[in-house]
Amino acid sequence: GAVVSQHPSWVICKSGTSVKIECRSLDFQATTMFWYRQFPKQSLMLMATSNEGSKATYEQGVEKDKFLINHASLTLSTLTVTSAHPEDSSFYICSAEGQGGGYGNQPQHFGDGTRLSIL
Amino acid sequence: DAKTTQPPSMDCAEGRAANLPCNHSTISGNEYVYWYRQIHSQGPQYIIHGLKNNETNEMASLIITEDRKSSTLILPHATLRDTAVYYCIVRVRSNYQLIWGAGTKLIIKP
Repeated sequence: GAVVSQHPSWVICKSGTSVKIECRSLDFQATTMFWYRQFPKQSLMLMATSNEGSKATYEQGVEKDKFLINHASLTLSTLTVTSAHPEDSSFYICSAEGQGGGYGNQPQHFGDGTRLSIL
Repeated sequence: DAKTTQPPSMDCAEGRAANLPCNHSTISGNEYVYWYRQIHSQGPQYIIHGLKNNETNEMASLIITEDRKSSTLILPHATLRDTAVYYCIVRVRSNYQLIWGAGTKLIIKP
């Protein structure tokens, strides 16, 4: 159980293109989803937290107009990197947390990540 | 900043128990300790979590000291597929976020 699917797994595109990444919880309802970014040989950095039906909360330094997050249902969140540039190239990972996640007693389950390369 | 301290790397022989330590001396009373691992180029995999009591599941055991200032993750019979970076995380109570440190790179040797 607790499977999170992330798509696509790899994207290569030209500078200026917008790229959409999907994150789905396959066998549970995710009240909260998280988006992370990871550079080579570094740890995960939280970009934003999204709750179903409400606006995402972005971490300091993350441009909300650059990284658009939509969490329209309890099983799907999307991250759109708008007008992507080479510096946006990174490994993007989503995670989802099921209902009853209060008090920190519900694990986040992660997708396999999307490797984004902007030429 | 991460609230945990882990050794940067460890080796373990295949078939032996791998014991990964973690210090979290500033942990608050209701903050959980989580362990994840990340195999190269994949998303993190949840292993186990605990609050005060020791926990065991099909993957590992988590031993938390009585004062909760440190814990140990035990992989009872390590295999080559257990080679990964292991993250010990204190889940902060204020917003339940996972704050990722550098982790321990565990290498299982044949």
